[in-house]
Amino acid sequence: DVKVTQSSRYLVKRTGEKVFLECVQDMDHENMFWYRQDPGLGLRLIYFSYDVKMKEKGDIPEGYSVSREKKERFSLILESASTNQTSMYLCASSRTPPAEQYFGPGTRLTVT
Amino acid sequence: RKEVEQDPGPFNVPEGATVAFNCTYSNSASQSFFWYRQDCRKEPKLLMSVYSSGNEDGRFTAQLNRASQYISLLIRDSKLSDSATYLCVATPNFGNEKLTFGTGTRLTIIP
Repeated sequence: DVKVTQSSRYLVKRTGEKVFLECVQDMDHENMFWYRQDPGLGLRLIYFSYDVKMKEKGDIPEGYSVSREKKERFSLILESASTNQTSMYLCASSRTPPAEQYFGPGTRLTVT
Repeated sequence: RKEVEQDPGPFNVPEGATVAFNCTYSNSASQSFFWYRQDCRKEPKLLMSVYSSGNEDGRFTAQLNRASQYISLLIRDSKLSDSATYLCVATPNFGNEKLTFGTGTRLTIIP
């Protein structure tokens, strides 16, 4: 059974803090993704990675960066958290070619 | 215009009824399509892929209409457990792993 885990379910940070969200998958998937989900806006892709050390910008990369040093781990970094980054963050992974994406349980981040 | 558009609902449907909803996509080059289901406060999970010839999985039927650029999901004999948000997904072309999600259609099955 595919498992995607995220480091925290709930996180509260202050404006200006650096925030790290970690995601780990155990199925040797090539592709990993970070989304944020907001009411009325749906899932929006922040960044994705199709290989170790490779990254591609998604639709809303501003204010975020990512790191993929190992195949199973994909980190999302908020360099200086702002209140408009309060959201649900979802990590996903998938095989190549295009296939089902498996999602982690999500991290609800609140920036105050 | 959004790349993938769905009626947000909510659809409130009595148990046992048949319900259908559509999703339109703007990129005519889109190749792969999916329906995901998301329960309240949970992550999305794949419900079914949508093939050109249409496909059926138990009470669920998915159809693709390339000419009109929409996909549909039909749920027969709806159950209380079908209550969820249904997300329509398209991929721009083969080999590109990026999925574009619709904002979802909320379905509530009423006893």
